[in-house]
Amino acid sequence: AAGVIQSPRHLIKEKRETATLKCYPIPRHDTVYWYQQGPGQDPQFLISFYEKMQSDKGSIPDRFSAQQFSDYHSELNMSSLELGDSALYFCASSSRASGREDEQFFGPGTRLTVL
Amino acid sequence: AQSVAQPEDQVNVAEGNPLTVKCTYSVSGNPYLFWYVQYPNRGLQFLLKYITGDNLVKGSYGFEAEFNKSQTSFHLKKPSALVSDSALYFCAVRDNRGSYIPTFGRGTSLIVHP
Repeated sequence: AAGVIQSPRHLIKEKRETATLKCYPIPRHDTVYWYQQGPGQDPQFLISFYEKMQSDKGSIPDRFSAQQFSDYHSELNMSSLELGDSALYFCASSSRASGREDEQFFGPGTRLTVL
Repeated sequence: AQSVAQPEDQVNVAEGNPLTVKCTYSVSGNPYLFWYVQYPNRGLQFLLKYITGDNLVKGSYGFEAEFNKSQTSFHLKKPSALVSDSALYFCAVRDNRGSYIPTFGRGTSLIVHP
């Protein structure tokens, strides 16, 4: 079965650079979530989209922005990168239309390292 | 407000023995409760959820969890542990009256010894 796809899997950036993370949800899933997981930490919710509209907003810094496109893929744009942004970034998707919005399927994550 | 606590950073168990990973929660309304498992360098995998109904919920890979409203707990259990069960386990909760965003616990590392 198709899973959530994230690209790239690994990314190394310098401070003050920008980064774009991409997420391709499971086909027919209408909701996408972005999480940040620091070393030894639980996943922290950043932002979510339902049917291409922002749904909920968590602890996403103002330097970050995200959107969901017409094909339901989502991109997380990160600017003015800081050392503290180094983390695993997970995308998850679920299907609200099927009534299974609480079963989030996570992608493999993008490991961002800021030097 | 919603929160979840996993009081144990690590649980050690011998293969073949029963295992329990503890979780307690706090919500304003009724809880929706979840367990996820994370293997090294992988995303979280959904194990099971409690929404309503039977307090004992069965999930993937032989895991089950028991909802206890009076103790506000949702402990994860398995009758016989496997070495391959070794992973990081996250409990999560969301308030049924709130957004669709769950709050995750800090995670418990389960180590199953051969």
